[in-house]
Amino acid sequence: AQSVTQPDIHITVSEGASLELRCNYSYGATPYLFWYVQSPGQGLQLLLKYFSGDTLVQGIKGFEAEFKRSQSSFNLRKPSVHWSDAAEYFCAVGARPGGTSYGKLTFGQGTILTVHP
Amino acid sequence: GAGVSQSPSNKVTEKGKDVELRCDPISGHTALYWYRQSLGQGLEFLIYFQGNSAPDKSGLPSDRFSAERTGGSVSTLTIQRTQQEDSAVYLCASSLGGKTQYFGPGTRLLVL
Repeated sequence: AQSVTQPDIHITVSEGASLELRCNYSYGATPYLFWYVQSPGQGLQLLLKYFSGDTLVQGIKGFEAEFKRSQSSFNLRKPSVHWSDAAEYFCAVGARPGGTSYGKLTFGQGTILTVHP
Repeated sequence: GAGVSQSPSNKVTEKGKDVELRCDPISGHTALYWYRQSLGQGLEFLIYFQGNSAPDKSGLPSDRFSAERTGGSVSTLTIQRTQQEDSAVYLCASSLGGKTQYFGPGTRLLVL
């Protein structure tokens, strides 16, 4: 069964500092990989996704993520955090067509980001 | 707007009552998904529709939960005889090709 681990429940950074949120997954092959962000009382907004090809993917709001097959990781990064980035971030994996879990996303537990001025 | 919409946005009900939650997917999206988000369990998959059929119902927690989709568009998630542990945010998502899921704002359900 696929699983996702986000080791950091809560991260605090200063505005303007760099950010890296960790995500590790367990899956039999290379899954589809996603990062979503959720502000309080809101739904999930897609930040970026990886399907294949270039392992460094760019997303919205200045975020990027790097897929590392050898480490089963898909860490999210941003060079300079803004106060408006404070939110909860979710990493998710999805099975490719033909996979037994195709159609559903499996999410990590989320990382809450606090930004200090 | 052109996004996924859900109604109601908030629902308070009494234990034992039935509730219906509605999801309107993005126009033209063939796949529709329901998830539940609760403090103790995080984000959990409930059910997935491709067109009007549900190839994967594996996440429905009990037979009190059911869902249907009509006309390849709107979906309704029904919870019968609600229990306090059903209190959660119910999120709906839709997808065009089955790869990327776009989420609605959710329905916050509170069972008293």
